[in-house]
Amino acid sequence: AQSVTQLDSQVPVFEEAPVELRCNYSSSVSVYLFWYVQYPNQGLQLLLKYLSGSTLVKGINGFEAEFNKSQTSFHLRKPSVHISDTAEYFCAVSDKPGANNLFFGTGTRLTVIP
Amino acid sequence: DTAVSQTPKYLVTQMGNDKSIKCEQNLGHDTMYWYKQDSKKFLKIMFSYNNKELIINETVPNRFSPKSPDKAHLNLHINSLELGDSAVYFCASSRAGLDTQYFGPGTRLTVL
Repeated sequence: AQSVTQLDSQVPVFEEAPVELRCNYSSSVSVYLFWYVQYPNQGLQLLLKYLSGSTLVKGINGFEAEFNKSQTSFHLRKPSVHISDTAEYFCAVSDKPGANNLFFGTGTRLTVIP
Repeated sequence: DTAVSQTPKYLVTQMGNDKSIKCEQNLGHDTMYWYKQDSKKFLKIMFSYNNKELIINETVPNRFSPKSPDKAHLNLHINSLELGDSAVYFCASSRAGLDTQYFGPGTRLTVL
């Protein structure tokens, strides 16, 4: 089965600073990668996804991620964070197109400090 | 209008009871899911239904039984609740294939 590792459980960062949230996945022939965000007391919302094509994926709210097959990574980045970005961020992977079975990482808590 | 809704939002109950959580989606999606998020925020899929057919069951105890009366609803029934069942349960839906999953707001279940 697929798995993902989110190396940082918590990431504090000052407002308007850049941020990178790390995600590594277990290797597979085909892999499909996702980043979801969970704001306090809410459900998850898709930020971006990589299915194929360009390895640099742009998502909502100014986030982007780069698929790196050689390093089996899919790190999430934002050049300048806002207070409203404070949330839990989850990386997820699937290896079976059509089955929708997502395997989530343990999450990274991003706290933006004023 | 809410895309994926769950009721109740909070559920507090005693060990041994039976309870249900309801989920409805108005997005016209074919596939619905139940996830469990534990106290450490770890999110794990429990069930997936595609056009009322079960397609995933990730080693969930048989005390948990999903029921889908129609394509827009996927309810979760739990028998003989245990302390370890305390968690936040999320419903989600998507079109078939690797499409975006839309999540409900979650149901926080507390078993005393």
